[in-house]
Amino acid sequence: QQPVQSPQAVILREGEDAVINCSSSKALYSVHWYRQKHGEAPVFLMILLKGGEQKGHEKISASFNEKKQQSSLYLTASQLSYSGTYFCGTESRDYKLSFGAGTTVTVRA
Amino acid sequence: SQTIHQWPATLVQPVGSPLSLECTVEGTSNPNLYWYRQAAGRGLQLLFYSVGIGQISSEVPQNLSASRPQDRQFILSSKKLLLSDSGFYLCAWSVTGEAFFGQGTRLTVV
Repeated sequence: QQPVQSPQAVILREGEDAVINCSSSKALYSVHWYRQKHGEAPVFLMILLKGGEQKGHEKISASFNEKKQQSSLYLTASQLSYSGTYFCGTESRDYKLSFGAGTTVTVRA
Repeated sequence: SQTIHQWPATLVQPVGSPLSLECTVEGTSNPNLYWYRQAAGRGLQLLFYSVGIGQISSEVPQNLSASRPQDRQFILSSKKLLLSDSGFYLCAWSVTGEAFFGQGTRLTVV
């Protein structure tokens, strides 16, 4: 079953922050975050393997609440380069990797 | 270093024609392999995944099939394409968790 992402879209000005949420109805082995630019393949940002784990990539960080089966991606002090569609991927123990519908982020100058 | 090759980059096929998309991975062994489809402006729909040669898990019952004849080769096929098969097809591999995507094939069925 696919994870559920929210919001569907967000518009930011440079320097603003945003949070993207991802939840699953099934127990999770890991949570992945990817960013896709228009017309390109998704690019890996980070993976969270343990409950409570938090990771960062530049000023993009994420947390994973294993108990609640939720993850959040935090975009801090957004830059123009952060624009794109962000996907959360949830992996089960049999290596099935399913993605949410995506959140389109637009950062404006 | 590991690389993934996916071809062709674009394809225009008539309704009812067959399809074969190939994906190969270099520089790693026994990867998990995935096929996804993305409709315009939509999310990534998992079609098939494989954890080993000859082991295919299907997520979407439709006119597509997948095969893994070699450890690092994953093939997506159809005997008769439908208009609804149009989309952006992405192959991905993973070994240690994170997945890496090929550049995709943009398929238009006319």
